[in-house]
Amino acid sequence: DTGVSQNPRHKITKRGQNVTFRCDPISEHNRLYWYRQTLGQGPEFLTYFQNEAQLEKSRLLSDRFSAERPKGSFSTLEIQRTEQGDSAMYLCASSAGGGDTQYFGPGTRLTVL
Amino acid sequence: AQSVTQLDSQVPVFEEAPVELRCNYSSSVSVYLFWYVQYPNQGLQLLLKYLSGSTLVKGINGFEAEFNKSQTSFHLRKPSVHISDTAEYFCAVSELNTGFQKLVFGTGTRLLVSP
Repeated sequence: DTGVSQNPRHKITKRGQNVTFRCDPISEHNRLYWYRQTLGQGPEFLTYFQNEAQLEKSRLLSDRFSAERPKGSFSTLEIQRTEQGDSAMYLCASSAGGGDTQYFGPGTRLTVL
Repeated sequence: AQSVTQLDSQVPVFEEAPVELRCNYSSSVSVYLFWYVQYPNQGLQLLLKYLSGSTLVKGINGFEAEFNKSQTSFHLRKPSVHISDTAEYFCAVSELNTGFQKLVFGTGTRLLVSP
């Protein structure tokens, strides 16, 4: 059990550029979650996968955001045409089942200039 | 929809003193309750959770929390804090009637332990 990993840890980009983040969950965890955390706030739910199926999306996830989890393993979160308001820490978590603990990765900190 | 309120944005305390971090929640259905800790530039680590059973829950690092259904509270306590407990603490809830475990977090309480 190596824990949830996220790459990159930091990303600085210019407004209007596209960025992609990767999350590798704990192996055999079938549930994967993305959250966003802005400065001084708690994490906010973005989206959820059970295996490869994306089953829930928050209204925070605008059309510029897309998430995938091919083959039910790692997941990617892409933001198109980034805006300064997208600057935040993007956290990934995984769990083995509905009532199980969500284990969080270290996050990817995005800065949009 | 559920919500979580952490009234104290920052709690300063001296080393070896007791501490209580307050958490109140709002939900129309039964919930699971969690406390997570976040150290600088790191992800969240679970301290403890309440799913059912005994309302007094013990977690890692000497922390404990008590679920009070009538007051809709889940306060976190530690009898004697260490410098290393300095971190951000988040309370979170998850409603039982959802098909998955979406966590709703409070805004966090920064615990500052000084010598």
